[in-house]
Amino acid sequence: DQQVKQNSPSLSVQEGRISILNCDYTNSMFDYFLWYKKYPAEGPTFLISISSIKDKNEDGRFTVFLNKSAKHLSLHIVPSQPGDSAVYFCAASSYLNTGNQFYFGTGTSLTVIP
Amino acid sequence: EADIYQTPRYLVIGTGKKITLECSQTMGHDKMYWYQQDPGMELHLIHYSYGVNSTEKGDLSSESTVSRIRTEHFPLTLESARPSHTSQYLCASSEGVIQETQYFGPGTRLLVL
Repeated sequence: DQQVKQNSPSLSVQEGRISILNCDYTNSMFDYFLWYKKYPAEGPTFLISISSIKDKNEDGRFTVFLNKSAKHLSLHIVPSQPGDSAVYFCAASSYLNTGNQFYFGTGTSLTVIP
Repeated sequence: EADIYQTPRYLVIGTGKKITLECSQTMGHDKMYWYQQDPGMELHLIHYSYGVNSTEKGDLSSESTVSRIRTEHFPLTLESARPSHTSQYLCASSEGVIQETQYFGPGTRLLVL
């Protein structure tokens, strides 16, 4: 039973516009959430994270929003660039509940069109 | 940021062969992990280690085994490869106790014929 879900397998966005990637989770004990970016034939690269005590974290063009009541997080990329084209995975963990084991979504493939 | 290395990057091998996938990290992280990922699917944890001489199985059942004799090294072994083992294998490491970030190696893409 998947505890972290990314319901959009793919997303296409024009260069310069905003990309919004969504992620839902079911385990209310998750307290730490991360986004990873993955190019084909490479390992995931850490992008940005957020603790459950916050509802927003920003790093340059990347912002992650957390809505605990809806068990939903999103990653905003503004402005989108062609180099952002990759698969984005969200992950969640809970030290107390899952011993820091990470649970990953199935990924969303983002294509930024020049 | 962790420096974590995996070899080989790609491996094509026949059924029944024994293989070892190497993973090394240079950051002194205590925790190391092996994930398996198929295209379009989530990463599944197959093994993890919280330190030297500590290894545990993850959620996904796997016929592979691991060892952790040195902090920096976490190899994964398949005693007899089968076509069902064809997948991408990702190694990761992390430090800290809570709300840690896992850093991944480049992965090994395995094809068993």
